[in-house]
Amino acid sequence: EADIYQTPRYLVIGTGKKITLECSQTMGHDKMYWYQQDPGMELHLIHYSYGVNSTEKGDLSSESTVSRIRTEHFPLTLESARPSHTSQYLCASSPWGQETQYFGPGTRLLVL
Amino acid sequence: AQRVTQPEKLLSVFKGAPVELKCNYSYSGSPELFWYVQYSRQRLQLLLRHISRESIKGFTADLNKGETSFHLKKPFAQEEDSAMYYCALSEGGGATNKLIFGTGTLLAVQP
Repeated sequence: EADIYQTPRYLVIGTGKKITLECSQTMGHDKMYWYQQDPGMELHLIHYSYGVNSTEKGDLSSESTVSRIRTEHFPLTLESARPSHTSQYLCASSPWGQETQYFGPGTRLLVL
Repeated sequence: AQRVTQPEKLLSVFKGAPVELKCNYSYSGSPELFWYVQYSRQRLQLLLRHISRESIKGFTADLNKGETSFHLKKPFAQEEDSAMYYCALSEGGGATNKLIFGTGTLLAVQP
């Protein structure tokens, strides 16, 4: 079934650890996005990609990095997690030529 | 700077009452606007987009360029409409379509 997946759904981790949030989509979409959302706040775009080997920073500065080696996969990495990284991270994808974005279920990250 | 404003964090209405969720935007170009919805324990999903001029689940939204608004309306609220609603603006168009979101409004429909 065509969908967009995020793992893990919840992650509690200590300060200084390296973490990777996974995002995969089986919808054949070229464009993918990462948003960060703090409780009660708006979603902020932190990274996006037009396709393989394309990555761009979003409007909100983030210490995270992303890669796009395969069309369907868009992982986000934090080299050294800090409490300020505690947030919800949402992945989305969109087909070329369309404005609508399709969202994954999100990952809730808590850094202690 | 491009911005989307949703002035109400919470809107509580009774079942059968009319609903209007407010959204104002600032954008220098020709905007494309969306309403996304998140029901309890579900993911964020598109409700409607202004370019489609459609009614989804009884909701409509009209783009008013003079007032720079895109309010979401429904004449008779249902309990199942209770959810978080986000207004979003697409900038760049075409290739980029980066979305700028408002802070969201929680709609609570009381029985």
